[in-house]
Amino acid sequence: GEQVEQLPSILRVQEGSSASINCSYEDSASNYFPWYKQEPGENPKLIIDIRSNMERKQIQELIVLLDKKAKRFSLHITDTQPGDSAMYFCAASEMGTGNYKYVFGAGTRLKVIA
Amino acid sequence: GALVYQYPRRTICKSGTSMRMECQAVGFQATSVAWYRQSPQKTFELIALSTVNSAIKYEQNFTQEKFPISHPNLSFSSMTVLNAYLEDRGLYLCGASGNSDYTFGSGTRLLVI
Repeated sequence: GEQVEQLPSILRVQEGSSASINCSYEDSASNYFPWYKQEPGENPKLIIDIRSNMERKQIQELIVLLDKKAKRFSLHITDTQPGDSAMYFCAASEMGTGNYKYVFGAGTRLKVIA
Repeated sequence: GALVYQYPRRTICKSGTSMRMECQAVGFQATSVAWYRQSPQKTFELIALSTVNSAIKYEQNFTQEKFPISHPNLSFSSMTVLNAYLEDRGLYLCGASGNSDYTFGSGTRLLVI
């Protein structure tokens, strides 16, 4: 089945700089890639997603890139703030199929240092 | 909009006992329901995927005997953790989809003592 690798596991950046998280997947049938942010003690919240018919998507300071050939996708947070400190999870899925489920990466703990 | 309610939010059960958790979809038809477990400091492991009119598919390391799931209609699903032990503690997340992106509930946090 699908496996998703996520790196790095821990990321520390200075406030105002950019943070990048990278994920790779194995199943070429995957066509939908959401990103989740999880604060301590809370459930994960969807922050941005990208479908396979796109290569780039931006929502404010969040940018996701998708390289279908390389089976890689990434999240870039520009101008990081202390409030961006959290766990981030990527996921891959086959939307629209009978096997539609999210397979999550292992997570990245982002710490933004003031 | 699409909402998913999960209850209870938090629960404690004695080791060896069972605990049932519920998932309610509001505002859409949940044709697929996926149950996940997040153990402390870990990622979200898929327990099983339930699609209406199909058999429930359990992932490796998870069985129907341990985590029986019911998905009787397009708005409700429940899962029971049978014979819970320490390693079953964590956040249990229910995600529901009506052929769009999954909407997740707030989770049921299970503590086993």
